[in-house]
Amino acid sequence: QVQLHQSGPGLVKPSQTLSLTCAISGDSVSSNSAAWNWIRQSPSRGLEWLGRTYYRSKWYRHYAVSVKSRITINPDTSKNQFSLQLNSVSPEDTAVYYCARTSGYIDQWGQGTQVTVSS
Amino acid sequence: QSVLTQPPSASGTPGQRVTISCSGSSSNIGRDTVNWYQQLPGTAPKLLIHSNNQRPSGVPDRFSGSKSGTSASLAISGLQSEDEADYYCAAWDDSLNGFWVFGGGTKLTVL
Repeated sequence: QVQLHQSGPGLVKPSQTLSLTCAISGDSVSSNSAAWNWIRQSPSRGLEWLGRTYYRSKWYRHYAVSVKSRITINPDTSKNQFSLQLNSVSPEDTAVYYCARTSGYIDQWGQGTQVTVSS
Repeated sequence: QSVLTQPPSASGTPGQRVTISCSGSSSNIGRDTVNWYQQLPGTAPKLLIHSNNQRPSGVPDRFSGSKSGTSASLAISGLQSEDEADYYCAAWDDSLNGFWVFGGGTKLTVL
């Protein structure tokens, strides 16, 4: 059974970088049939897909247009995990952040991390 | 503003059948399959229906899904108090470079 466990700070100052990690058990970040996503949820924006990384003979990364200039999603094969970095955050980035696996559809979610952007 | 449109609320009494709609466009629901998620307060969404009408193992057969054109529906029969939750639809959107889109969620109240 696939499980995703998130870690990272819950408070980030404006203009700084939000960093979260998602540890995978029961699957491999290098799987040829899965993709590894970050999604956030806020009252104002609802559920919003941020981006994904996946391996198909090489690594691919795709990002949402809304955050494309500020986001990086990286796999870490040595630790079987992937990460999210979101630069230059503002209060509008306050949300619950989820990592998630897709294998045709979003079938597994991390537990969620409430991230608040505030000084 | 969510890409997929759901009614903000729905309600029913125990034992009743309720349906929740999800409307999209030709670049998402019209082109790909629809998935449904149940979210209880303070928890992550849980997969309820995938590929329009497929239930993962462990999901009661009281839950069913359907799709027609650019719209989809989730039906819950034999409503139970534990079904009170938020429900979201999701689909892959083929516009731009492709991305996942979601409905705004429907809060189901069991009266």
